[in-house]
Amino acid sequence: TQLLEQSPQFLSIQEGENLTVYCNSSSVFSSLQWYRQEPGEGPVLLVTVVTGGEVKKLKRLTFQFGDARKDSSLHITAAQPGDTGLYLCAGFMIKAAGNKLTFGGGTRVLVKP
Amino acid sequence: EAGVTQFPSHSVIEKGQTVTLRCDPISGHDNLYWYRRVMGKEIKFLLHFVKESKQDESGMPNNRFLAERTGGTYSTLKVQPAELEDSGVYFCASSPGQFYGYTFGSGTRLTVV
Repeated sequence: TQLLEQSPQFLSIQEGENLTVYCNSSSVFSSLQWYRQEPGEGPVLLVTVVTGGEVKKLKRLTFQFGDARKDSSLHITAAQPGDTGLYLCAGFMIKAAGNKLTFGGGTRVLVKP
Repeated sequence: EAGVTQFPSHSVIEKGQTVTLRCDPISGHDNLYWYRRVMGKEIKFLLHFVKESKQDESGMPNNRFLAERTGGTYSTLKVQPAELEDSGVYFCASSPGQFYGYTFGSGTRLTVV
């Protein structure tokens, strides 16, 4: 059982459509990060959300952290083929021993031209 | 600024052999992490260095894995002897401090045959 469940696992949409990726947990996180990974590369940090209810925008990407800090979402507006990739959420758990990120399984996004 | 560098990018070895992976973090980053992704699973934590000290090695699978960080600079992860289930992509990441976003390397794809 994964601590962080991402849904959907795979998403295929046409260019110009909107999409939302969800990241859910029964655990509380002190902060949550979103990464994007391309084939053959390591994950690249997109954003960190820290405060419950926080919303951050990065151009066409909107990230939201749930009020209870157990869930997060990533919304992409007017998706473009360049948005294709593997999107990963990862969180630092409150009261967890050590300093380590827990990753979700990822959502593979394909934006077709 | 140079990123996190991992070597080799790929390694194919036979069961029972030894392999050593290397990671050069971003200069000045005291925190260095090793993560692993095996086929079909999420990225999982292996261990965390702060400078040359092991802060948390709770994710190391067994005593066939040995990580070192000489002088608080580069790190090596040795697998001896390798088993089939050790196959996967090994990522190294570094960060300037606790709970910061990580900078990941491109990973080493290890295949044990």
